[in-house]
Amino acid sequence: AQSVAQPEDQVNVAEGNPLTVKCTYSVSGNPYLFWYVQYPNRGLQFLLKYITGDNLVKGSYGFEAEFNKSQTSFHLKKPSALVSDSALYFCAVRDGPASGGSYIPTFGRGTSLIVHP
Amino acid sequence: DTAVSQTPKYLVTQMGNDKSIKCEQNLGHDTMYWYKQDSKKFLKIMFSYNNKELIINETVPNRFSPKSPDKAHLNLHINSLELGDSAVYFCASSLDRGRRRLEELSDTQYFGPGTRLTVL
Repeated sequence: AQSVAQPEDQVNVAEGNPLTVKCTYSVSGNPYLFWYVQYPNRGLQFLLKYITGDNLVKGSYGFEAEFNKSQTSFHLKKPSALVSDSALYFCAVRDGPASGGSYIPTFGRGTSLIVHP
Repeated sequence: DTAVSQTPKYLVTQMGNDKSIKCEQNLGHDTMYWYKQDSKKFLKIMFSYNNKELIINETVPNRFSPKSPDKAHLNLHINSLELGDSAVYFCASSLDRGRRRLEELSDTQYFGPGTRLTVL
């Protein structure tokens, strides 16, 4: 069965510093991986996804994530954090085609990112 | 010109009542979803429709019944509301044109603003 873990409930970083929000996953075959951001009282917004191809994926608002198959990770990164990046971040995974998996997207528990001025 | 809209934004009701939440997308997408986010922010998919056909039906009480009158709309009807149904319900859509098989869905999902349901 597929699963996804976001090991940190909260990440604190100073504005201007690099940030990392961690995500690890488990799937039957090749994964489809996603990052979403949720601002307070808002719906989720798509940031980026990995389906196939380059392991380094660039997304919205200067975020990027690296697919690491050997470590089964897809950590979200940004070189220089902004106070406005403070939000709840969700990693999601599903099995890729022909993997025999459930193909239902599974979301992590979310990581609250707090960027201090 | 909101892409994915939901009504109502807030819904407060008594236990045992029946209520509906409406969702509309004007993106021309073929696939729509309903998600439930609980008080701890845990997000779980409930249903998905592709071009009015049900393709995901997770373990959800049969008090929840989705209805898709056309591919731009996916409404959620809930019978006999219970306290545990209190949550934020999100609608989403993705293009995934002609992808009737679950394993083929891969396009970006666009979420609505959510409906906060409170059952008293």
